[in-house]
Amino acid sequence: DQQVKQNSPSLSVQEGRISILNCDYTNSMFDYFLWYKKYPAEGPTFLISISSIKDKNEDGRFTVFLNKSAKHLSLHIVPSQPGDSAVYFCAASAEGTYKYIFGTGTRLKVLA
Amino acid sequence: SQTIHQWPATLVQPVGSPLSLECTVEGTSNPNLYWYRQAAGRGLQLLFYSVGIGQISSEVPQNLSASRPQDRQFILSSKKLLLSDSGFYLCAWASQVAETQYFGPGTRLLVL
Repeated sequence: DQQVKQNSPSLSVQEGRISILNCDYTNSMFDYFLWYKKYPAEGPTFLISISSIKDKNEDGRFTVFLNKSAKHLSLHIVPSQPGDSAVYFCAASAEGTYKYIFGTGTRLKVLA
Repeated sequence: SQTIHQWPATLVQPVGSPLSLECTVEGTSNPNLYWYRQAAGRGLQLLFYSVGIGQISSEVPQNLSASRPQDRQFILSSKKLLLSDSGFYLCAWASQVAETQYFGPGTRLLVL
């Protein structure tokens, strides 16, 4: 049972445009969501997170939106840069469970 | 600041040989510790997590085991490796009171 889903395995975007990465979840107990960026043969790097009490969190070029009723979150990168090319994972956790459930990742390619 | 170390970075082992991967965290105390595996082209699969010394929770039945002999040390082991154990192994930590999880650089394991 895949509780966190990233249905787009890959995405290509032109440099300077917006990248939108999507993530859906099924467990209504999840109350904290995170986005990570991963380069090959490296550990994931934390990008941005959002608590379920918010619907938006912004950090520089990165904004995460949370729609609890739809059980959907998205990561917006504006403007996209070639260095943003990587695999992006969303993850979710529920208070008190100590566990983080990851999606399968979306490979973003930013074209120069 | 906190740092997380994993070694070795790369390991090539024959089928049936033992395994020991080590992870240590600096700059924090009593962290929650995690082992993940990323198979080729796949997402992050949680293998084990620990909320304290000697406390190990297993997420997936397999021929791997984990131990936490010290507060900031987490070890992944196997008595006999299988071909299917090949993958990229990631250690991560999270504070007991905060919610963001941070990853180490990873160990690439190839079982031949």
